Amino acid sequence: DTAVSQTPKYLVTQMGNDKSIKCEQNLGHDTMYWYKQDSKKFLKIMFSYNNKELIINETVPNRFSPKSPDKAHLNLHINSLELGDSAVYFCASSQGDHSNQPQHFGDGTRLSIL
Amino acid sequence: GENVEQHPSTLSVQEGDSAVIKCTYSDSASNYFPWYKQELGKRPQLIIDIRSNVGEKKDQRIAVTLNKTAKHFSLHITETQPEDSAVYFCAAPGDDKIIFGKGTRLHILP
Repeated sequence: DTAVSQTPKYLVTQMGNDKSIKCEQNLGHDTMYWYKQDSKKFLKIMFSYNNKELIINETVPNRFSPKSPDKAHLNLHINSLELGDSAVYFCASSQGDHSNQPQHFGDGTRLSIL
Repeated sequence: GENVEQHPSTLSVQEGDSAVIKCTYSDSASNYFPWYKQELGKRPQLIIDIRSNVGEKKDQRIAVTLNKTAKHFSLHITETQPEDSAVYFCAAPGDDKIIFGKGTRLHILP
């Protein structure tokens, strides 16, 4: 009964490929996020969706495209993968917006670009 | 712009001693301050949070204090145990997103 589940857990692929990471939450939350955590452990927000609407789009290359088919799902598609994309990507969700509610994180997807 | 500074970046304490991690924020409108713990290879998890209408909150061995005037808040862990070893992140809301500190790696020494 994982609250925020993302797949796959590990993703190893060649530079230039296109890949997707999926995320689902069963908490009934309105808002979902994608974070990138680099090798120094910095947590950087990439995107945020509230009820399927994009509300935060940080300075992220347009090779990254989020898609929210419904408020329980937020997927991340990455085109033309580059070496610098290697990181752990965390999906998260919260009730309402970010400003006064805790975020619930998924277990992460470790992306390694060869 | 909005910023959250977290110190120290690394902290080693003897088992049984206390650990303190401090964060400062820049947005005076911020009113919610969570702390997350991330164990090695795991996801960040909320351990305690505080809202701006209180100055301190405790939950067993962990406590958070907030000084809104000085715009800083701190995490206090007492009687540290080996399982407290992890990376700890503070966070504060900005205009349109939550901003995380850069993390503190806490080592509990035997």
